[in-house]
Amino acid sequence: DVKVTQSSRYLVKRTGEKVFLECVQDMDHENMFWYRQDPGLGLRLIYFSYDVKMKEKGDIPEGYSVSREKKERFSLILESASTNQTSMYLCASSLEGAPLLGEKLFFGSGTQLSVL
Amino acid sequence: AQTVTQSQPEMSVQEAETVTLSCTYDTSENNYYLFWYKQPPSRQMILVIRQEAYKQQNATENRFSVNFQKAAKSFSLKISDSQLGDTAMYFCAFPGNAGGTSYGKLTFGQGTILTVHP
Repeated sequence: DVKVTQSSRYLVKRTGEKVFLECVQDMDHENMFWYRQDPGLGLRLIYFSYDVKMKEKGDIPEGYSVSREKKERFSLILESASTNQTSMYLCASSLEGAPLLGEKLFFGSGTQLSVL
Repeated sequence: AQTVTQSQPEMSVQEAETVTLSCTYDTSENNYYLFWYKQPPSRQMILVIRQEAYKQQNATENRFSVNFQKAAKSFSLKISDSQLGDTAMYFCAFPGNAGGTSYGKLTFGQGTILTVHP
């Protein structure tokens, strides 16, 4: 089974801290995604990557950056955490073009981030 | 831009009964897939069912089926014989940037919290 592992299940940080959320997948997937999940808003795409060192902004990239130095690892970076970034963060991976072909995304179990 | 709307924030159903979750979407594409994902309390997202737009027949996976109305851009999920394990948040999803790119992002609806009561 494909496994997508997020480094932390819960994380508490202070305002202004630099925060790294790590995600690793073990199935050689080209695509990796970072979503943010908030009540009433569903999942919103922050950034995605379709290859090593390649990235594209999603719908809400402000305040975030990403890094993909190796194919299996996709990191989300909050340069200076703010309270409005308190949220659930979900990482996902897929083969190239998977949803367009009817294939699913594989998700991690999420990181609940609280910024105080 | 594609949009996906789930208008029912919460639903509840008695065990063994049937419940339908609604989803509407907007697209100018003609052929595409639609998905329903389930997120139980464990937070692990699971694909429940998928529908290809050009297929007339509604998709079915065991107790889960869809009512796909292409002209109305409606994609509802029916859960028959509801079980306690069906308690979860359900998301409707649609591939974004479907035209001309292979990246295959997914756009999600707002989600519906379903509670199955014993």
